[in-house]
Order: sequence, then C-alpha cells, then structure tokens
Amino acid sequence: DSGVTQTPKHLITATGQRVTLRCSPRSGDLSVYWYQQSLDQGLQFLIQYYNGEERAKGNILERFSAQQFPDLHSELNLSSLELGDSALYFCASSVYTGELFFGEGSRLTVL
Amino acid sequence: GENVEQHPSTLSVQEGDSAVIKCTYSDSASNYFPWYKQELGKGPQLIIDIRSNVGEKKDQRIAVTLNKTAKHFSLHITETQPEDSAVYFCAASSESRGSTLGRLYFGRGTQLTVWP
Repeated sequence: DSGVTQTPKHLITATGQRVTLRCSPRSGDLSVYWYQQSLDQGLQFLIQYYNGEERAKGNILERFSAQQFPDLHSELNLSSLELGDSALYFCASSVYTGELFFGEGSRLTVL
Repeated sequence: GENVEQHPSTLSVQEGDSAVIKCTYSDSASNYFPWYKQELGKGPQLIIDIRSNVGEKKDQRIAVTLNKTAKHFSLHITETQPEDSAVYFCAASSESRGSTLGRLYFGRGTQLTVWP
C-alpha cells in the first residue's frame, strides 16, 4: 500500500460526459502528479501541483483540468469525453522530489 | 523536454537467468533515475533509483548502472524468479530545475516474463 488513495477505481461513462477523479496523497506529501497510462502512449505526465499551486503541465488536453485543495487532495476533471480518453489515470505524490508514490489508478472506460 | 527511450519492450527469461533493461535519456540536466515495477492491476512501485553522482547501485538481486557521458542507464536483475514478472519502467528527472522539479519522464516500459 503506497498510501495514495484514488477514487473511483473503475468508471464507465459515455462520450460527451464529464467525470471527476479524486486523489488523496500520502500524509505529509505536498506534491501531486497526474499521469495517464494507455497501451499506445505509456505513462504520460499530465499535470503537477505543489502545495495547492500548479507547478508543471504536460500533455494535458484543454478538456481536462485539475486542482489541488487546501487539504492537499487533488481532483482531475475530464470533460467532453471521447473514446480515446479511455485509459488508466494515476495519481502520485511526493514530499518534494525523489520517489513518487503511485495510487492504484482509476480505470476510465468511455463508450 | 526530456526524452527517455527504453529497450527491449518485451523480455522473456528462464528462472535463474539474468535480465537487463536499458534506457537512454536526452537532457543532460537530468540527475535522478528511478526504476519502477508495475504488476497487473496496480500502480508503479519504485524498486531502485540512482542519482547522477553515483555510477552504480545494488540492492540484493537488482542493480542499476549509470553512464552520464553516454546518457544511458540500465537495470540488472540476477537470479530471476517468476514473481519478477511485471512491467518495468525507467524514468528520468531533474531535481534541480525550476518548474519541472520532481516531474518524471518515463520510458515506454518492458514486459518481463520469467518462465519457471
């Protein structure tokens, strides 16, 4: 158990819909990262937050957004969903740098 | 940005044999190189890491080597066991660069299968 909690574990929805994925980092970790894992793209970095502020953006679509709240949990919002958005979405946390601790992921299926 | 390439994409070995996975990186500012193991249905988990001030690091049956000049690093697993079967990812990061601090750039992964 990494200490990072992600909900929901599985999510099935239709094209055009909007979903929210939630992440609770390890106690004491200030950095939260979101990664997307698909068969053809591997582990793609989406976005990073540090203590509530956005630190870095990767290949995150404009339809996606994220935030980190004062209690340090984070949410990833995916809207106007397309079939190609089906993937595993991982949240990871770290104190600052060094080892990232990954949650078990949220599997999104868009039908 | 950083580009990490990983080879091979699949690797099959007999139990007891050694396995080697190789990665190259492009950004000379990268100074932290972790390896993650991902088992089916789980998130990636760190198994070993190395920083650029060290050339080699070992932890029981696993070892990582780093060649900064050539910008490549490798994972070595000796005396492989069936429970080593998983997907292995290499990654690179700069622990000293501004906005990308802590962000990991991953290779595409290697599916390792260890046959009994």
